[in-house]
Amino acid sequence: DTAVSQTPKYLVTQMGNDKSIKCEQNLGHDTMYWYKQDSKKFLKIMFSYNNKELIINETVPNRFSPKSPDKAHLNLHINSLELGDSAVYFCASSQGFATGGTEAFFGQGTRLTVV
Amino acid sequence: GDSVTQMEGPVTLSEEAFLTINCTYTATGYPSLFWYVQYPGEGLQLLLKATKADDKGSNKGFEATYRKETTSFHLEKGSVQVSDSAVYFCALKGGSYIPTFGRGTSLIVHP
Repeated sequence: DTAVSQTPKYLVTQMGNDKSIKCEQNLGHDTMYWYKQDSKKFLKIMFSYNNKELIINETVPNRFSPKSPDKAHLNLHINSLELGDSAVYFCASSQGFATGGTEAFFGQGTRLTVV
Repeated sequence: GDSVTQMEGPVTLSEEAFLTINCTYTATGYPSLFWYVQYPGEGLQLLLKATKADDKGSNKGFEATYRKETTSFHLEKGSVQVSDSAVYFCALKGGSYIPTFGRGTSLIVHP
């Protein structure tokens, strides 16, 4: 059983399109995140949700909109895709937002290529 | 804000060599510290962690000690294998409760 699963694994699309990436965790965690990893492997936090509520929204274009229908799911919708959005997007989860010692569990990543 | 600085790679070693990847951090309070590993085409997975000063985390022959006086959490392994080739990330979880990652260090181990 995959703990944190993302779909799709690969996404190739044209500029200007709208696309969604889905994420589900079966760990019973209450906190979920979206990270963007660039071509140099740098990981940047985009959003954090705790119990379905948005906690952190870093400087991300408002073309990116997260949605958490329940604690186990955090989806990412991207409008009007641009070339610079090409990256690997990782979903992650952890237990206890204010619990320092708990590690994050990551999905396999979604490689988005905008052409 | 919180930040993590780790040595730039790639680090290239021969099999059975000693590995050190340096990591220092800036954070308020007493963060928890982590090392994650990312194999090609996969997500990050926890390698080891330490939650308070002088704690040593260890797993699969890797070790790191939480040094508050030097704000460091260096990763070491006594004898690397080809299968250890991956990207290693140092991370912390501090007052913001958001996992903050270093830029990653690529390790390449040759037979």
